Amino acid sequence: SQQGEEDPQALSIQEGENATMNCSYKTSINNLQWYRQNSGRGLVHLILIRSNEREKHSGRLRVTLDTSKKSSSLLITASRAADTASYFCAINTGFQKLVFGTGTRLLVSP
Amino acid sequence: GAGVSQSPRYKVTKRGQDVALRCDPISGHVSLYWYRQALGQGPEFLTYFNYEAQQDKSGLPNDRFSAERPEGSISTLTIQRTEQRDSAMYRCASSLAVARVTDTQYFGPGTRLTVL
Repeated sequence: SQQGEEDPQALSIQEGENATMNCSYKTSINNLQWYRQNSGRGLVHLILIRSNEREKHSGRLRVTLDTSKKSSSLLITASRAADTASYFCAINTGFQKLVFGTGTRLLVSP
Repeated sequence: GAGVSQSPRYKVTKRGQDVALRCDPISGHVSLYWYRQALGQGPEFLTYFNYEAQQDKSGLPNDRFSAERPEGSISTLTIQRTEQRDSAMYRCASSLAVARVTDTQYFGPGTRLTVL
C-alpha cells in the first residue's frame, strides 16, 4: 500500500506561473524525496530533504517539510512547458526502501 | 555504464509463461532495488539487495516472484507462470551505499510487462 498522498492529483497552469504540490504521509521518516516522471521516461530524482530540515532549494525548486504535520510541499517557480510531468514524493523510514505517493500530474501550457 | 539499464524495455508474454527481467545498476553501486508501478500510480517496493544479499523481499506479491543478484552487480527479477494482473512497469534502482540517510536511488527506464 502507498503511504504518501499527493495533492492535488492534477494541476494545470500557464508557463511562468508557480506550481505547488503537497504530500502527506503517516509514519516517522528519515528523509523525504521528490521525483519527476516524464511521459515515457524513467523516474528522475529532484531533491531530498532530511527529517531535521525544514526547507531546501535547488534551482527553481523549493521543498518544505513539516514533520509535526507529516507533510511536505514542492514549489516549482516560473514553470516551463518542459516541467510537464508527474511528480511523486517518496518517504524513507530508515529501511532503505522508498514508499511512494500517488503522484501529481502537472501540465504546463505555453 | 552512465546510468541504470534494464532489459528488455518491453516484454509481451502469454499467461502462464515465465519471464526474466534484467537490471544492470550503476557501476560501483552497492544497493539495488526493484519496484513495480501500475498505470497512474506511484512505484511500489518489491525487494532489495545489498551486494549479493537479499535484504527485504516483503514487497514480492507471492511466491511466483523471485529475484537474485548472485555476484552483487546485475540482478534478475523472475516471474513464473505469469498472470494478467502481473502486467505493469517494473523499475530497478541502485544506490551507492548501504543505509545512508541521504542516499539517492537512481532509477532505470523500466521494463513494461504485458501479459496477454
